[in-house]
Amino acid sequence: GAGVSQSPSNKVTEKGKDVELRCDPISGHTALYWYRQSLGQGLEFLIYFQGNSAPDKSGLPSDRFSAERTGGSVSTLTIQRTQQEDSAVYLCASSLAVTGLGELFFGEGSRLTVL
Amino acid sequence: AQRVTQPEKLLSVFKGAPVELKCNYSYSGSPELFWYVQYSRQRLQLLLRHISRESIKGFTADLNKGETSFHLKKPFAQEEDSAMYYCALRKSGGSNYKLTFGKGTLLTVNP
Repeated sequence: GAGVSQSPSNKVTEKGKDVELRCDPISGHTALYWYRQSLGQGLEFLIYFQGNSAPDKSGLPSDRFSAERTGGSVSTLTIQRTQQEDSAVYLCASSLAVTGLGELFFGEGSRLTVL
Repeated sequence: AQRVTQPEKLLSVFKGAPVELKCNYSYSGSPELFWYVQYSRQRLQLLLRHISRESIKGFTADLNKGETSFHLKKPFAQEEDSAMYYCALRKSGGSNYKLTFGKGTLLTVNP
């Protein structure tokens, strides 16, 4: 497809379990972002990948969160030992990362519910 | 560190009335400012960016560096404008294109 694809669209898990969320960006986009969207908190930045540069991990809320991007394309966000406060919609976006342009294209998100 | 503040979580207006969604930012350098919009059951998408000085769907936004604001305005609101609006900031120059978003304003346009 032409847009950013995320899977799963919905995930319900039990507290303490690990989850993996996948993002397939638009082909050719060098920049990839993960955000977390929750009521009252808006869009929280989690992590940003740009080409072969070291990722900007400054938004990851704890060491239970990690992400990787393989081959400059698909990215996986992993949450270990999930907690109820991790429940949110996790959004992935990609862009061409050009200053002054660089519109972010978002996926539909993965809704995570931790019971 | 950069920060974006949208003081109104909720904003309700009647159709045909003017609407202004407020956005203030804090950043020591020269920023790039954006408005993103999320309509019901749709993806978050770019509405407009200050560098383009454009009007999209009747919305405009002017960057006021003195007041560090980038308010979104429309003279006559329409019901289809009902959505969640996010203001966002990015550093200009450099190689980090991370966007920092505000917490959003939910706009409801009543008939």
